[in-house]
Amino acid sequence: DTEVTQTPKHLVMGMTNKKSLKCEQHMGHRAMYWYKQKAKKPPELMFVYSYEKLSINESVPSRFSPECPNSSLLNLHLHALQPEDSALYLCASSQDTRAGAATNEKLFFGSGTQLSVL
Amino acid sequence: AQTVTQSQPEMSVQEAETVTLSCTYDTSESDYYLFWYKQPPSRQMILVIRQEAYKQQNATENRFSVNFQKAAKSFSLKISDSQLGDAAMYFCAYRSANSGYSTLTFGKGTMLLVSP
Repeated sequence: DTEVTQTPKHLVMGMTNKKSLKCEQHMGHRAMYWYKQKAKKPPELMFVYSYEKLSINESVPSRFSPECPNSSLLNLHLHALQPEDSALYLCASSQDTRAGAATNEKLFFGSGTQLSVL
Repeated sequence: AQTVTQSQPEMSVQEAETVTLSCTYDTSESDYYLFWYKQPPSRQMILVIRQEAYKQQNATENRFSVNFQKAAKSFSLKISDSQLGDAAMYFCAYRSANSGYSTLTFGKGTMLLVSP
């Protein structure tokens, strides 16, 4: 199984709603990532989890709350979003990595969740 | 900080022809990795090819090959025998070898159009 599975594929929410994006992988990867991608733009890194611990937070607003309940799952909890948060949210994973142990490893991406905030 | 520049917003090619996508980058590091990712209309990011900076030999993957010029900080992608399925947005990406995570710095992308 070399897939990263994201659900839902599409999500429409109001600014007062609370919703969650889910990401799952069963490749034994210990690093998982959230990227945000606006239309016709490159992905932008939001969060990195390594061994279920938050390792990088790229100054993301608190209305985005990541969670890594176990080594296979990554969630992104959404609350009080703004219309400008509408974007494709991509999850990715990579093999065992710790700071200073860089390898030429592949980053596996999911198909993303297209989020629209009304 | 590293930067990645793709100067071609859009490129066109006919089926069976060859096309080259350009990418330059700026870094003060000597050890790093470079990647080309493809994003078709399905929006899934697919790794096309990768290059280790310490390797002089250019990477190849079937119809895809790169021209890696380390001194010039250039990393172009050549697609031979183009197919309709190659139509996609192509992103060049950089990753530091000093990072334990696969955090990538992306260029702005080049949209590749393939005509019959």
